[in-house]
Amino acid sequence: AQSVTQLDSQVPVFEEAPVELRCNYSSSVSVYLFWYVQYPNQGLQLLLKYLSGSTLVKGINGFEAEFNKSQTSFHLRKPSVHISDTAEYFCAVFSGANNLFFGTGTRLTVIP
Amino acid sequence: DTGVSQNPRHKITKRGQNVTFRCDPISEHNRLYWYRQTLGQGPEFLTYFQNEAQLEKSRLLSDRFSAERPKGSFSTLEIQRTEQGDSAMYLCASSLIGPYQPQHFGDGTRLSIL
Repeated sequence: AQSVTQLDSQVPVFEEAPVELRCNYSSSVSVYLFWYVQYPNQGLQLLLKYLSGSTLVKGINGFEAEFNKSQTSFHLRKPSVHISDTAEYFCAVFSGANNLFFGTGTRLTVIP
Repeated sequence: DTGVSQNPRHKITKRGQNVTFRCDPISEHNRLYWYRQTLGQGPEFLTYFQNEAQLEKSRLLSDRFSAERPKGSFSTLEIQRTEQGDSAMYLCASSLIGPYQPQHFGDGTRLSIL
């Protein structure tokens, strides 16, 4: 069975500071991991995905994530955040039933 | 690529009424998914279609929930005899067929039960 744990429900950070949003997973099958972002009253937008290959994955809007098999983690990072990055971020694992299993989300608030 | 379109954006109804939501996927996408998202939670998978075939429906929350995709294009999600606990955001997503194709989401329909 697959599951995803997002350890922080809220992360406040000052503008232009770095940020890391944490995600840990468990899976009994091959792992395929995703990060999505959700702005208020909108659907989810794909930030990046890990399917195979390089463990460092680069996505849109300057975000990147690193797949760490030994620590079963897929943390999302950005070296310098902007006000426009304020949103809800969801980590997800691809289930063998052809659907995504999401974590409970991390609300990133960028403080001016 | 006009994206995934969902209608209506917001539905307010009284408890016990039936509601139907529509999803128009990206035109070349064969797969269509429905999710439910409650406040403070991530999206929860409900069902999905490949073309007109509903390949997974065991996650539908009860027999009051049903979904259709009659011609393999748009889809509808119906909730019969709505209850307070059905209040949530209902999200639709679509993707190409293939291993782990990314899902593209619509903006959702927010259901409020009075």
